[in-house]
Amino acid sequence: GESVGLHLPTLSVQEGDNSIINCAYSNSASDYFIWYKQESGKGPQFIIDIRSNMDKRQGQRVTVLLNKTVKHLSLQIAATQPGDSAVYFCAETNTGFQKLVFGTGTRLLVSP
Amino acid sequence: DAMVIQNPRYQVTQFGKPVTLSCSQTLNHNVMYWYQQKSSQAPKLLFHYYDKDFNNEADTPDNFQSRRPNTSFCFLDIRSPGLGDAAMYLCATGKQGNQPQHFGDGTRLSIL
Repeated sequence: GESVGLHLPTLSVQEGDNSIINCAYSNSASDYFIWYKQESGKGPQFIIDIRSNMDKRQGQRVTVLLNKTVKHLSLQIAATQPGDSAVYFCAETNTGFQKLVFGTGTRLLVSP
Repeated sequence: DAMVIQNPRYQVTQFGKPVTLSCSQTLNHNVMYWYQQKSSQAPKLLFHYYDKDFNNEADTPDNFQSRRPNTSFCFLDIRSPGLGDAAMYLCATGKQGNQPQHFGDGTRLSIL
């Protein structure tokens, strides 16, 4: 069977709270960043992206912040709902390449 | 509405028995990717096709092969599956430039 995986960092919040998921990326040359949401038994689903010429981008209930100085990315989810429970991955890439480098992932648990 | 379709969703094979996983897309993207994902881990890129050009990752075992007969379809062949190959296999598509990859819902492979 499968080998035992690492334990994912877990963030537990109450419904209605705001959630912040953090990610440290590795390559200072990366210029495009994506957040994915992965529910159990499904593939990663695109949430929001940001280019390196921006430091903030907002979507519906989600905001991504980029700090290139310290190579840090965060995903903020407003008014978190039980349906937001999933594993969240950040990913980085460089425009010249077609390959994504994924972060380790964070499990978000939202309790009613 | 599914744009990246993987078949089957669940596959069981015997140790050492060749298996093929399939992926199709309706997005007309020129890049197609195969990832392996084990429990509580991030997706790991095995290889990708940029149009017809095959790009293998350095640490992808020789046991894993891929075919892309046309833009829409891509196959993952595992020639002699071992127990360590039990995992979720994800297909994704993309375009050149700052665009997110789109993932299918994966095929979960079990080895008996």
